[in-house]
Amino acid sequence: DQQVKQNSPSLSVQEGRISILNCDYTNSMFDYFLWYKKYPAEGPTFLISISSIKDKNEDGRFTVFLNKSAKHLSLHIVPSQPGDSAVYFCAASANDMRFGAGTRLTVKP
Amino acid sequence: NAGVTQTPKFRVLKTGQSMTLLCAQDMNHEYMYWYRQDPGMGLRLIHYSVGEGTTAKGEVPDGYNVSRLKKQNFLLGLESAAPSQTSVYFCASTKGNSNQPQHFGDGTRLSIL
Repeated sequence: DQQVKQNSPSLSVQEGRISILNCDYTNSMFDYFLWYKKYPAEGPTFLISISSIKDKNEDGRFTVFLNKSAKHLSLHIVPSQPGDSAVYFCAASANDMRFGAGTRLTVKP
Repeated sequence: NAGVTQTPKFRVLKTGQSMTLLCAQDMNHEYMYWYRQDPGMGLRLIHYSVGEGTTAKGEVPDGYNVSRLKKQNFLLGLESAAPSQTSVYFCASTKGNSNQPQHFGDGTRLSIL
């Protein structure tokens, strides 16, 4: 039973444009949401997070939006850069952390 | 500052063999975790520890055992390896509770033949 779902396995975007990665969850007890970025042969690294009491959190080129009523969050990257090409994992936490299956982002020069 | 270090990076086992994966962190973190990553499944929690001497089951604990004898080390054991345990294993740690971002090692790629 996957409680956190990333329905797009891959996304391709042109350099300079916006990348939007989506994530849906089913457990209403989740109160903290995170995005991780993963390069090949490396472990995931923390990117940005948001508490359930907020609906937006911004850090430089990265913004995470949370829609609790829809149980949906998204990560916006503006502008996208080739170095952003990686697999992005959405995660949600209640007592433990649950991860989505990941979305592979490719930013083309 | 090494962060989270996993040993070994790669290993091939035969069905029925046993082995131990080692995770070491130098950040004085209380919480440590073992995950497995499989295609299309994301990261799934195997076992975790909230402090030295403690362990708890995660989402997919069957076939694995863990020990946290020292705060900085978290060991994952496979007593009798099965092909279904072929996966990439990640260790992670956090300073406090599960809401804090986790620091991950670079993974151990394990193949069971």
